[in-house]
Amino acid sequence: RKEVEQDPGPFNVPEGATVAFNCTYSNSASQSFFWYRQDCRKEPKLLMSVYSSGNEDGRFTAQLNRASQYISLLIRDSKLSDSATYLCVTSGTSGTYKYIFGTGTRLKVLA
Amino acid sequence: EPEVTQTPSHQVTQMGQEVILRCVPISNHLYFYWYRQILGQKVEFLVSFYNNEISEKSEIFDDQFSVERPDGSNFTLKIRSTKLEDSAMYFCASSVGGHTGELFFGEGSRLTVL
Repeated sequence: RKEVEQDPGPFNVPEGATVAFNCTYSNSASQSFFWYRQDCRKEPKLLMSVYSSGNEDGRFTAQLNRASQYISLLIRDSKLSDSATYLCVTSGTSGTYKYIFGTGTRLKVLA
Repeated sequence: EPEVTQTPSHQVTQMGQEVILRCVPISNHLYFYWYRQILGQKVEFLVSFYNNEISEKSEIFDDQFSVERPDGSNFTLKIRSTKLEDSAMYFCASSVGGHTGELFFGEGSRLTVL
């Protein structure tokens, strides 16, 4: 089983739509969770950290379900500029010193 | 805003040649990383570095690879004898402390091995 698994997409949605991505992780001892955004041929950039109680940042909402070992990202009112690849990332497992990236989910927002 | 800087942005080399990729992490960060991304594939962990030694390395990081922090600012990745399959984008990253906070990436060094 992959350490961090995501649907690669692409998700093609019209402007203004709501879209949700899920990510599953295999190591129940993971402590920290993030969503990163990566534009084509660019470096990953932090979109938001994911907290146990769930958190929101403007149009973006992240949820963590530790029991089922999945993380979600909800984007409301999609903009053309949201088109990118969204990377699910875990870290903080005791005894390891790395951040583990999923393959990413590609989003295309269409005019 | 502080940033991670990497040089060169693009390097073309012949198979078998040595390559050194350079990074300047954010100044107050303590943990340093190298990741690579082959075109169209996922971001893969290579190595993490703390307190002047390797904390963890992946299976990819074999004897052909080495890292060094030669002074207080630079963090380098050396590939001793490049192979065609080493062609990728190499990202340097740093974090303030531990492996639970935000990971800041440089813009990457694109390596093309011919």
